[in-house]
Amino acid sequence: NAGVTQTPKFQVLKTGQSMTLQCAQDMNHEYMSWYRQDPGMGLRLIHYSVGAGITDQGEVPNGYNVSRSTTEDFPLRLLSAAPSQTSVYFCASSYVSGRGDEQFFGPGTRLTVL
Amino acid sequence: TQLLEQSPQFLSIQEGENLTVYCNSSSVFSSLQWYRQEPGEGPVLLVTVVTGGEVKKLKRLTFQFGDARKDSSLHITAAQPGDTGLYLCAGEPAGANSKLTFGKGITLSVRP
Repeated sequence: NAGVTQTPKFQVLKTGQSMTLQCAQDMNHEYMSWYRQDPGMGLRLIHYSVGAGITDQGEVPNGYNVSRSTTEDFPLRLLSAAPSQTSVYFCASSYVSGRGDEQFFGPGTRLTVL
Repeated sequence: TQLLEQSPQFLSIQEGENLTVYCNSSSVFSSLQWYRQEPGEGPVLLVTVVTGGEVKKLKRLTFQFGDARKDSSLHITAAQPGDTGLYLCAGEPAGANSKLTFGKGITLSVRP
């Protein structure tokens, strides 16, 4: 079991560029989510999905898009990167939608937008 | 407004000392979790508490959920350098369609 994998591990973008952060899990989890972590801000929920074909917004969704075509994959798209999106991004998954279930996190993607 | 307040924000102690850190809220939670995060890695779950007044022990770590399910504490006995890391509490507010929310975290440094 690889658990939750994320690629790339590091990325530098210029303002206005687009990119996709990849996330995959091999645990057959229904619930997947994306967080960003900024110094002194904790983890903030960007988007989440309760199953294939279903996505919804979290606390800080502006500037990000997601889709969930399969149970395994949950990519996060930045359409036009801005310096405010410089952050560490974590993908997480769990068996069901929260309710005390353990969240399994990926190793993170460190994104810098110049 | 931060739903979960963690304190202290930073803590630096000597190996062998005991410590207690806190996770407080004015809201009721259906469950509360503690995660530990090491530099360059994602958070890893330490414990989940679901019942008011519940106490769980994980080797030298003792977790308590408040009777009213609004707060939690983490006590570490005889801290070791391997305990160094960022400790995050996370909870789901009671009620339908509630999402997991994280506190800002407590950075713990244990000096040899």
